[in-house]
Amino acid sequence: EAGVVQSPRYKIIEKKQPVAFWCNPISGHNTLYWYLQNLGQGPELLIRYENEEAVDDSQLPKDRFSAERLKGVDSTLKIQPAELGDSAVYLCASSLGSLYAGGPDEQFFGPGTRLTVL
Amino acid sequence: AQSVTQLDSQVPVFEEAPVELRCNYSSSVSVYLFWYVQYPNQGLQLLLKYLSGSTLVKGINGFEAEFNKSQTSFHLRKPSVHISDTAEYFCAVSDMNTGNQFYFGTGTSLTVIP
Repeated sequence: EAGVVQSPRYKIIEKKQPVAFWCNPISGHNTLYWYLQNLGQGPELLIRYENEEAVDDSQLPKDRFSAERLKGVDSTLKIQPAELGDSAVYLCASSLGSLYAGGPDEQFFGPGTRLTVL
Repeated sequence: AQSVTQLDSQVPVFEEAPVELRCNYSSSVSVYLFWYVQYPNQGLQLLLKYLSGSTLVKGINGFEAEFNKSQTSFHLRKPSVHISDTAEYFCAVSDMNTGNQFYFGTGTSLTVIP
């Protein structure tokens, strides 16, 4: 079974340029997450989708960041314009999305996109 | 709100020695706890999780963790480490109110020395 796929793996851009990241979750996973991971830090949630609906985007800087998950499968995260402080790893994760009595289901992570803003 | 503290940012240990990576959490409700491992240039992989029941949880690669409610801890242990265990380890917490929203610690870098 294929895991979570992310592209590109690495991206170098100049500040003020736009950039987009793409994520393909595991087949059948309804929940998709975008995380930001700064160097030496743990992942921080940017946005969570249940199918095509963004159910938690409270941590997404909406002035420059946007995301979409059309048709409830693939997702794209965009930054426009990028700033120096946006240099980080952007992780995508997915899960079945079934919050059952036993607790939350496992999140499966992609390899991430390492963004460098010059 | 939940938070996770990983007290050690770096842990060097000799090969075949035991190791403990510490994790403390804060939450006002019942929690679910997780340990993830991240190898260089890879995504996070689940090592083990505590949802309920037995406080001693066994995971992959010989790791185990013990949930201690009174000390709000979920320390990760392995009796004998291998070179291949060199990686970044993250503790995460969720709870019945936040469901699938995880809060991660800052990570512990484990380096196994030959």
